[in-house]
Amino acid sequence: EAQVTQNPRYLITVTGKKLTVTCSQNMNHEYMSWYRQDPGLGLRQIYYSMNVEVTDKGDVPEGYKVSRKEKRNFPLILESPSPNQTSLYFCASSLDGENEQFFGPGTRLTVL
Amino acid sequence: SQQGEEDPQALSIQEGENATMNCSYKTSINNLQWYRQNSGRGLVHLILIRSNEREKHSGRLRVTLDTSKKSSSLLITASRAADTASYFCATEGGAGGTSYGKLTFGQGTILTVHP
Repeated sequence: EAQVTQNPRYLITVTGKKLTVTCSQNMNHEYMSWYRQDPGLGLRQIYYSMNVEVTDKGDVPEGYKVSRKEKRNFPLILESPSPNQTSLYFCASSLDGENEQFFGPGTRLTVL
Repeated sequence: SQQGEEDPQALSIQEGENATMNCSYKTSINNLQWYRQNSGRGLVHLILIRSNEREKHSGRLRVTLDTSKKSSSLLITASRAADTASYFCATEGGAGGTSYGKLTFGQGTILTVHP
């Protein structure tokens, strides 16, 4: 089944404790992206990647890192999480940057 | 930066009625996409319309795009209770520009369809 998977689905952590949210797609897509969704602010793009080893900042990249060493994986790294990073995070992939995006199920992160 | 803005913010209708949601945006686009989200779950792509298209259909969905007014509308005909969800428009800037590959979402319309 074609899908985007994210892990973990739920995470509660404390300020400053480094964490990684994994994202994997099995559709051989070139493009992958991370979004965060917050009430009243909608979905905002954090980082995106047009291909392996190519990443670009979205609208809200501060406090996040990404890497794209393999086509299928696009992990999101929070080196020192803060409470304002409490949010619902979505990973997505697409054939390229100009087509429909397939979303993962989301990761609900709480930073205390 | 907020590109798409949707109207209305919330819409409540009866089963069988049509639902129309509008989206406005500010800069030139390559395409505009509509997504659906059921409460807290992942988004599901509904339809994509390119800047050189004016109208597109998919089942009970009809999307229009007016690039001169920088606006789009999503029409769901003969709505069902299962259509209850949030609907988002998203714009993509196209190759050659700084917005290529960047998908910018509107705040969404919450649609409630009563049985």
